[in-house]
Amino acid sequence: QKEVEQDPGPLSVPEGAIVSLNCTYSNSAFQYFMWYRQYSRKGPELLMYTYSSGNKEDGRFTAQVDKSSKYISLFIRDSQPSDSATYLCASGGGFKTIFGAGTRLFVKA
Amino acid sequence: NAGVMQNPRHLVRRRGQEARLRCSPVKGHSHVYWYRQLPEEGLKFMVYLQKENIIDESGMPKERFSAEFPKEGPSILRIQQVVRGDSAAYFCASSPPERQGANTQYFGPGTRLTVL
Repeated sequence: QKEVEQDPGPLSVPEGAIVSLNCTYSNSAFQYFMWYRQYSRKGPELLMYTYSSGNKEDGRFTAQVDKSSKYISLFIRDSQPSDSATYLCASGGGFKTIFGAGTRLFVKA
Repeated sequence: NAGVMQNPRHLVRRRGQEARLRCSPVKGHSHVYWYRQLPEEGLKFMVYLQKENIIDESGMPKERFSAEFPKEGPSILRIQQVVRGDSAAYFCASSPPERQGANTQYFGPGTRLTVL
């Protein structure tokens, strides 16, 4: 079992839709949770990070963590074609960070 | 305010040659990580370094691969006697000095290695 599991997609939605991206993790010792966005042939870009269960909002993005079920989500409101990218969840403790395989998202104009 | 810099961005080598990938972390960051990414796959951890120290190299092949982060200058990932299977994107990330529970890594643009 991978320590961080993520559905690879692809996920295709129309412009303006609400997007839900999800991950599960297996290590209950993980303390922090992050989402990265990676455009084709670019490096991953940090979008959101959080340390606790609950929601964290930043503009159109909301990160949600449920430690009891080891579930991590990213919601994108009013999705735009420019949101088309691969989204990587990550979790870890100390210096060790484990990345999911990434979900490819396509937002159609 | 430069982010993580990597060079070269693209590197072509023939089998048996050496590849040297360089990474300059964000100014003030003392932790460097190297990852490898194959098409349609996630980031695979290779090595974690602090200045002049290798902290964790559990993800790095025992042979042909080495990494360093000297007191002065960039971090170097070195691959000796490259083989076709080494073709991949190699990403470097850096993070600031440790805070409680924090490990926010900032990535460079990557070096795409092609082995002919």
